[in-house]
Amino acid sequence: QVQLVESGGGVVQPGRSLRLSCAASGFTFSSYAMHWVRQAPGKGLEWVAVISDDGSNEYYADSVKGRFTISRDNSKSTLFLQMNSLRAEDTAVYYCARGGWEHWGQGSQVTVSS
Amino acid sequence: AIQMTQSPSSLSASVGDRVTITCRASQGIRNDLGWYQQKPGKAPKFLIYAASSLQSGVPSRFSGSGSGTDFTLTISSLQPEDFATYYCLQDYNYPYTFGQGTKLEIK
Repeated sequence: QVQLVESGGGVVQPGRSLRLSCAASGFTFSSYAMHWVRQAPGKGLEWVAVISDDGSNEYYADSVKGRFTISRDNSKSTLFLQMNSLRAEDTAVYYCARGGWEHWGQGSQVTVSS
Repeated sequence: AIQMTQSPSSLSASVGDRVTITCRASQGIRNDLGWYQQKPGKAPKFLIYAASSLQSGVPSRFSGSGSGTDFTLTISSLQPEDFATYYCLQDYNYPYTFGQGTKLEIK
């Protein structure tokens, strides 16, 4: 069965960096685009970024462009989100989702606070 | 970026009621719209794709319609497990954008 498991979240100070991972299993990872979506406390869903199946194309929300980088390692079936220059407003649960939207991870909490 | 305006933001209804949630796009998005259900502390669940196609395993009481700028999600007869927050998402172009959500509560 398809599984997506996020890791790497935690508490980080403003201006610092954090890298999230999403380990995929149960499907051919290299055949699917992958997304990151986040949800701030008590707020709605916000699409963050996408990467194509072969990693050649990436797109970002305006709110994270220039600070976050999405990447993937198809040999390890793992998706990443490198988050730099973190701000308090980046505090959220971060979900990875497979292209097609049927499968989501359980989420990883990121808290940006001094 | 395309803005998705979802209404209402909250809705009180009873088991057995028929409810409709609306999403309006700030520009035409063909039928490139999906609907999601989210319960507290859980990941979203994918309900409908391409505006009106039911995802496998989703009960037939859920339906979607629309094209261009105006879209609706209808639940024909509310069940207790349907009380949740619903979101639309345009996947017409990047950056993708969600509606702000509709919280469906028990009356």
